[in-house]
Amino acid sequence: EVQLVESGGGLVQPGGSLRLSCAASGFTFSSHDMHWVRQATGKGLEWVSAIGTAGDTYYSGSVKGRFTLSREKAKNSLYLQMDSLRAGDTAVYYCARGNSSGYYYDYWGQGTLVTVSS
Amino acid sequence: DIQMTQSPSSLSASVGDRVTITCRASQSISSYLNWYQQKPGKAPKVLIYGSSSLQSGVPSRFSGSGSGTDFTLTISSLQREDVATYYCQQSYTNLRRTFGQGTKVEIK
Repeated sequence: EVQLVESGGGLVQPGGSLRLSCAASGFTFSSHDMHWVRQATGKGLEWVSAIGTAGDTYYSGSVKGRFTLSREKAKNSLYLQMDSLRAGDTAVYYCARGNSSGYYYDYWGQGTLVTVSS
Repeated sequence: DIQMTQSPSSLSASVGDRVTITCRASQSISSYLNWYQQKPGKAPKVLIYGSSSLQSGVPSRFSGSGSGTDFTLTISSLQREDVATYYCQQSYTNLRRTFGQGTKVEIK
C-alpha cells in the first residue's frame, strides 16, 4: 500500500527555519517525481516545489531562494528545508507523488501544518 | 508561468442537476490538464487526468473535456457526496505545476 507521511510542521517565528519530511512507503521511491503543495486555511492549493527522479528541482516564485527540496533514496524520504519563513508561508503542506507518467498526483499525504507567527 | 483561471468560484445546484466547471489556461497546454476533488479536512484526489481520462474508481458521472486553453469538468447528475471544492491543474511545463483557484460546489 502506498503511503506518504509528512512530519516536521509546527510554530516558528518569522525569519526562522523549519524542515519538513515526507516518509514514503509501498512503492519504488526513486522511480517517481515528488512534489510539495500547500494550502493556507480557507484558501486554494498552491504548488510549492518538485524534485524529479534525476534529482532536478523546481520551485515556485514565492519560495525560490528560501526553500530547498531534496530526497534521500536510501531512506525513502523527501525533505523540504524552509528558511527565512514569512507569515504568508503559513499553510498545511502536502507531499504528493507524481504518477508513473509524471503528469498528475496519484497519492497525497495527510499534510502537516506550518504556522509562522511571533 | 502558466496561469489557470476557473469559473465559477462557487455554485449551488440541486441533486440530479448537471454541473459544469470551466478552467482556462493562459497559454496552450495541449491536454495536460487534471481535475482534483477536495473534501473538507482531506487531501485532494484526482478525478480526471489528461483532460478527459477518468481515474480508476471515480464514478462515471464525472467527465472532462477540452484542449489547448479551454477545459470543462462536468458532473452529469450531482449527488450529495459530490459536495467539495474542485481544482484544475496544468502539467504541461516539466515539473512546474499550477492550480486554478478552485470551485466550491454545494447542494441547493
